[in-house]
Amino acid sequence: DTAVSQTPKYLVTQMGNDKSIKCEQNLGHDTMYWYKQDSKKFLKIMFSYNNKELIINETVPNRFSPKSPDKAHLNLHINSLELGDSAVYFCASSHLRDPTTNYGYTFGSGTRLTVV
Amino acid sequence: GENVEQHPSTLSVQEGDSAVIKCTYSDSASNYFPWYKQELGKRPQLIIDIRSNVGEKKDQRIAVTLNKTAKHFSLHITETQPEDSAVYFCAASRAGGGNKLTFGTGTQLKVEL
Repeated sequence: DTAVSQTPKYLVTQMGNDKSIKCEQNLGHDTMYWYKQDSKKFLKIMFSYNNKELIINETVPNRFSPKSPDKAHLNLHINSLELGDSAVYFCASSHLRDPTTNYGYTFGSGTRLTVV
Repeated sequence: GENVEQHPSTLSVQEGDSAVIKCTYSDSASNYFPWYKQELGKRPQLIIDIRSNVGEKKDQRIAVTLNKTAKHFSLHITETQPEDSAVYFCAASRAGGGNKLTFGTGTQLKVEL
């Protein structure tokens, strides 16, 4: 009964391919996120959804498209993969009950994407 | 936007010693400051957090202090053990920002026997 689960754990693919990463949380959280961790371990937010609505969209290439079918799921689709997309992608979730209070995240186990 | 700086990037201590990691933030509206521990190949895990209405918080061997005036906060680990070896990240977020966390660049802590 993993709280935030991501699939797949590893993804090796060729340049130009299209791939998807799936994320599901069973914590009852209303907000989910995608973060990218590069080779230097830097964690940078990409997207965030609150109750299926996109609320954070950082400067990310249009090749990346998130989709949230319901508040327990957030998927990431990547078109035309490039070498620079190689990284670990973490899904996370949290509460966001009101705009005035922030909460810590629970992270998924990560998806290591390698583009060759 | 928010910018979080973290120092040092690497820290090596002897078992039993204390370790201190420091972060500074740029956005004076930031009011929530969590710390995450990431072991090799694992997910970041929340270990402690502090809100801007509190100056210090402690949980067993770890403590966090916050200086709002200077816009910096620190993680203190006492009586370090080998299992404390990991990368530690500080982060900051502001109310009304969609709970977006801006992370520091991480500190690789190594506890030597």
